[in-house]
Amino acid sequence: DAGVIQSPRHEVTEMGQEVTLRCKPISGHNSLFWYRQTMMRGLELLIYFNNNVPIDDSGMPEDRFSAKMPNASFSTLKIQPSEPRDSAVYFCASSLARSGPSSYNEQFFGPGTRLTVL
Amino acid sequence: AQKITQTQPGMFVQEKEAVTLDCTYDTSDPSYGLFWYKQPSSGEMIFLIYQGSYDQQNATEGRYSLNFQKARKSANLVISASQLGDSAMYFCAMRPGNFNKFYFGSGTKLNVKP
Repeated sequence: DAGVIQSPRHEVTEMGQEVTLRCKPISGHNSLFWYRQTMMRGLELLIYFNNNVPIDDSGMPEDRFSAKMPNASFSTLKIQPSEPRDSAVYFCASSLARSGPSSYNEQFFGPGTRLTVL
Repeated sequence: AQKITQTQPGMFVQEKEAVTLDCTYDTSDPSYGLFWYKQPSSGEMIFLIYQGSYDQQNATEGRYSLNFQKARKSANLVISASQLGDSAMYFCAMRPGNFNKFYFGSGTKLNVKP
């Protein structure tokens, strides 16, 4: 089975440019998460969706960041305009959210997109 | 408030020895899940082990076990018989209540020496 797919794997862009990161979750999963990882701040949750609906976007740094999930098999994270401080590894993760105290709801991560903004 | 703390930024262990990676958490939810992930130098995040707050027994997965002490709010990862391939960053995470949101610790970098 295919895991979480992210594209591109590497992105180098110049300050001010628009960047779009893409994610295809595991088929059948109903929750999707976008994370950012840097040395300084560690792993930060940016936003997550349940059944394609954004539930918590409190981690989105500012209005330059936006995320969409038009259907169950695709999500994008857009940065416009990009800045050097946005340089990081961006992970997408998905899970099958089930209720109940015994539910794992473990998250499966994609390989990440390494973004460099010059 | 939800919080996960990993106090060991880095650790060394000799190959074939056991090692314990510390994790403490804080939540007011009576139901929660605790997770450990491994991140090798290649960058991917690999799920290792899960412990539910109502589980009576400590979770085990092969060489990984989770030392769950509920009263102390700790969920330490024990790796037995360390191998060179265990060298990686290890992250502890908590999922409080029925929410999907995970809270991750800052990670522990483990180096296994031959």
